[in-house]
This record gives sequence, C-alpha cells and structure tokens, in this order.
Amino acid sequence: GQSLEQPSEVTAVEGAIVQINCTYQTSGFYGLSWYQQHDGGAPTFLSYNALDGLEETGRFSSFLSRSDSYGYLLLQELQMKDSASYFCAVRDQTGGFKTIFGAGTRLFVKA
Amino acid sequence: DADVTQTPRNRITKTGKRIMLECSQTKGHDRMYWYRQDPGLGLRLIYYSFDVKDINKGEISDGYSVSRQAQAKFSLSLESAIPNQTALYFCATSAQGNEQFFGPGTRLTVL
Repeated sequence: GQSLEQPSEVTAVEGAIVQINCTYQTSGFYGLSWYQQHDGGAPTFLSYNALDGLEETGRFSSFLSRSDSYGYLLLQELQMKDSASYFCAVRDQTGGFKTIFGAGTRLFVKA
Repeated sequence: DADVTQTPRNRITKTGKRIMLECSQTKGHDRMYWYRQDPGLGLRLIYYSFDVKDINKGEISDGYSVSRQAQAKFSLSLESAIPNQTALYFCATSAQGNEQFFGPGTRLTVL
C-alpha cells in the first residue's frame, strides 16, 4: 500500500522561512505534489516534482529525493495569508496513476 | 463561472437515505475524482474515472458508487447513508498532467 507522513502542525513568524517535510512509502512512485487549502476552501495545486532536486515558484519551492522517499515544501518571506493547511500527495503508477494525499500540515503564521 | 461545480453545497440527511452528489466541469478534462475529507485524515480517494467508460475504486469505495454520465459529469451516490459518512466531499478534475482542480466541496451530514 501507500503511506505519507507529514507534521500535523507548524508555527512560524511573518517574514520567516518554514519547511514542511513529507516522507512517503509507495511501490509505484511517480511524483510528489503539494497542495494548499485555506479554511473553508478547496485544495489548490502548488507544485509537482518527478525528478530529484528543487523546483522554485516564487516564494514557494519544493524538493524531492527519490532515493530517500522524502520531499519538502519551503515557504519563504512568510505572510499571514500563508496560514493554511498544506498537503503532500504521491502520484502512484499502481492502479493507473492515482493520487494519494497525506493528512496535511496546518501552518500558523504569527505576526 | 467556476470551472468545477458541485451540488448540493450542503446536505443534511438521515441514516438509510440514498444521496447523490453531483459534479460538473467545464475544463474539458477527461479525468475526474471523488475524495472525502475528514479532520486530521486529509483527502481520501473514493473513486476515479479517466474517461467516460473507465471507473476505478480508490482507497475507500465501500458504501459508495459512482456514475460518469458524460465527460463533464461525475456523480457520487451513497446508497444507504450512515453517520460515519458525514464528511466534506470534493470532486476534482485533471488533464493528463499532475495538477488536479478541485470543486468547492459538499458538506454532508448524516444523522
């Protein structure tokens, strides 16, 4: 089967940098995605990594190490609006490339 | 207009009732998904469909069924609702890439 682990909560200060880690176990790993969800809202896509390394999109970056079954989301210059839940998700080749989500990390940004 | 719509947005029903949740999309995507979200458990895949003639079970399909009436429509049914099916339900779509686009969600309460 598949499993993903990420911290349940992270707290950081406005303007700081925060890293949200994700470790995964899956037999047919294809890629790792990150989604953001604000309270009462729908998840929205942030990034995707299929190969090892860092992908940067503005203030957000995502990293993958396939050999370590590990990835992280890095948020820089934190803003209050970044307070949300962040989900890592594995795209799995078994069963036709379905996506399995982690339980989510709730990020609290303090002034 | 929203690209992915879900109806109803909120529903309260009683144990044993049949419920249908509907999802429509105007993005022209072939792939559609149904997830449920419970506090602390993230998003769990119920069913997914990669085209009109393709239906696949996800992680937690027991007690649910789906119908893909057209490329743009994907319905989720609870044949006999039970209280532990109380949750937030999301429909999502994707093209062949990795980004999924989520609807606004349906909050279902089974009494």
